[in-house]
Amino acid sequence: EVQLEQSGAEVKKAGESLKISCKGSGYGFYGYWIAWVRQTPGKGLEWMGIIYPDDSATKYSPSFQGQVTISADKSINTAYLQWTSLKASDSAMYYCARYGGPTLEAVRFDYWGQGTLITVSS
Amino acid sequence: QSALTQPASVSGSPGQSITISCTGISSDVGVYNFVSWYQQHPGKAPKLIIYDVTNRPSGISSRFSGSKSGNTASLTISGLQTEDEADYYCNSYATNSNPYVFGTGTKVTVL
Repeated sequence: EVQLEQSGAEVKKAGESLKISCKGSGYGFYGYWIAWVRQTPGKGLEWMGIIYPDDSATKYSPSFQGQVTISADKSINTAYLQWTSLKASDSAMYYCARYGGPTLEAVRFDYWGQGTLITVSS
Repeated sequence: QSALTQPASVSGSPGQSITISCTGISSDVGVYNFVSWYQQHPGKAPKLIIYDVTNRPSGISSRFSGSKSGNTASLTISGLQTEDEADYYCNSYATNSNPYVFGTGTKVTVL
């Protein structure tokens, strides 16, 4: 059974750093792209970026380029999303999702983690 | 890249059919047949219910169907059931710097 298990909720202060994780199981983790998606009440779902764990090739949404870093460690089937300096506006639910499409055009996020809620106080 | 436009809410009675639209532009919904749909119940993660405009993943009810015409994709739920009450999001590939754009989301209420 394919599963993506995310790290727990975090409460941080503005300016602090943070790294959250997403551990895959039940499939060949290294061979599927993993995406990060932000969800806020005001802006809905937003695609942040995507990584291919086998070679760590990464693509970012222009909205998030330079704001976050996506990485992966295929030896432990885990992808990461990190911030060096959080802002209050980073408060949101963050999901990782497996990209199941045969090409990068055939958009299909077929399995999702349970989400990690980030709360940043100013 | 702006979000795809969906109606904020759609409602129907049990057994009825409802359709949710997802309107984009020629560089996203209109460019390829790569539109997916997700169902999200409160407090849960999104779940893929349609991909490549019309295809259902294994285990998804045939009551869910998708279509596309020009720059607008649609999701139809037939034989509406109480468990269909959820938020629904479309998602399309886009030929610009942000390749994956989501819709604004639609809340489905079963009356």
